[in-house]
Amino acid sequence: SQKIEQNSEALNIQEGKTATLTCNYTNYSPAYLQWYRQDPGRGPVFLLLIRENEKEKRKERLKVTFDTTLKQSLFHITASQPADSATYLCALGKRGSSNTGKLIFGQGTTLQVKP
Amino acid sequence: EPEVTQTPSHQVTQMGQEVILRCVPISNHLYFYWYRQILGQKVEFLVSFYNNEISEKSEIFDDQFSVERPDGSNFTLKIRSTKLEDSAMYFCASKEGNEQYFGPGTRLTVT
Repeated sequence: SQKIEQNSEALNIQEGKTATLTCNYTNYSPAYLQWYRQDPGRGPVFLLLIRENEKEKRKERLKVTFDTTLKQSLFHITASQPADSATYLCALGKRGSSNTGKLIFGQGTTLQVKP
Repeated sequence: EPEVTQTPSHQVTQMGQEVILRCVPISNHLYFYWYRQILGQKVEFLVSFYNNEISEKSEIFDDQFSVERPDGSNFTLKIRSTKLEDSAMYFCASKEGNEQYFGPGTRLTVT
């Protein structure tokens, strides 16, 4: 069955360092992968989308890589700040004419940035 | 900046009662979704809606659930006879391209 795995353990880093979060998937060939931020009791907030034919995408301090051979995406936050503390979700979207836009989410990794 | 809105923010209901959760998607979006998130668990897809009909639904979305776009702006999720296990956050989303934008959610508590 399709599986998306994100590190369930919280990631604790010092302010100013780069945070790297991992998303691995199996039994799936996504057309694209998205990263979301979720704060407690709130809805997911869209951050970045990367397509299957793209290796890397950047937006300000955020960088996403996508390796369809390894079936893995890495999400980096450079120069991290305490305000970056949140849970980060990866979500996969499928390809083709049957693409209704349904997203399959990982369980998320909680990032804690300490001042 | 346009955003998805949802009401109410919190709904408490008794088991067996009907609830309607409301959403106003972003105005020029054409694809709409409901997801749910049980406390401490993953965000799970429930249903997608396009061109006034359901385009895909999950196994969770059984006969107790229905969706409707009653007018040009609202998108609703109805649960006909709530169960304890329906307690969760329910998120509405709408889509432009492949990017989905989520509302703040409705916390449904079934007692």
